[in-house]
Amino acid sequence: GAVVSQHPSWVICKSGTSVKIECRSLDFQATTMFWYRQFPKQSLMLMATSNEGSKATYEQGVEKDKFLINHASLTLSTLTVTSAHPEDSSFYICSARDTQGLWQYFGPGTRLTVT
Amino acid sequence: GQNIDQPTEMTATEGAIVQINCTYQTSGFNGLFWYQQHAGEAPTFLSYNVLDGLEEKGRFSSFLSRSKGYSYLLLKELQMKDSASYLCAGSDSNYQLIWGAGTKLIIKP
Repeated sequence: GAVVSQHPSWVICKSGTSVKIECRSLDFQATTMFWYRQFPKQSLMLMATSNEGSKATYEQGVEKDKFLINHASLTLSTLTVTSAHPEDSSFYICSARDTQGLWQYFGPGTRLTVT
Repeated sequence: GQNIDQPTEMTATEGAIVQINCTYQTSGFNGLFWYQQHAGEAPTFLSYNVLDGLEEKGRFSSFLSRSKGYSYLLLKELQMKDSASYLCAGSDSNYQLIWGAGTKLIIKP
């Protein structure tokens, strides 16, 4: 089956620093990747949709200058949380959609803690 | 607008059967997904329905009625490890997933 990896699995950073999270599709090409955020005991919230080679589409209320998304290849998308603050602490999950367009495969998630 | 509704929380007994309902409204329709999510983990795929009827997969079954905009996930012979959140998601005309808030299922011995 299709596998999506995320790195790192967890990260602790200091307030004001930036953190980069990688999402890779290991055995398939993903023209579209999605970034989700999930706070404790809440559902998944779509942050942005990322298409290879073009700018990401951000959901309402998500600051594009704070959450930088790059999707430079068909197997890699990155999310950079700039100037992180404690309220950015969350579980960040990516998913990748295959070229057929129907299935989304989820990465294992990255737990970010900002101190 | 697009909307997915499912109960917030359900409780069931080990060994029993539970049905989690989901109603959906999407712009166009390319199928209905069910995912399981344990605390602190990413969602894992359970089932996909695009035609009316019941899809059975071991202890889990999923049903779809397109005319009613309704689906359910049926879990049989409940085990303690089934305690998790169950997410219903509809695929719209752009194959974008519209997510429900999830149903937290609590299994009691």
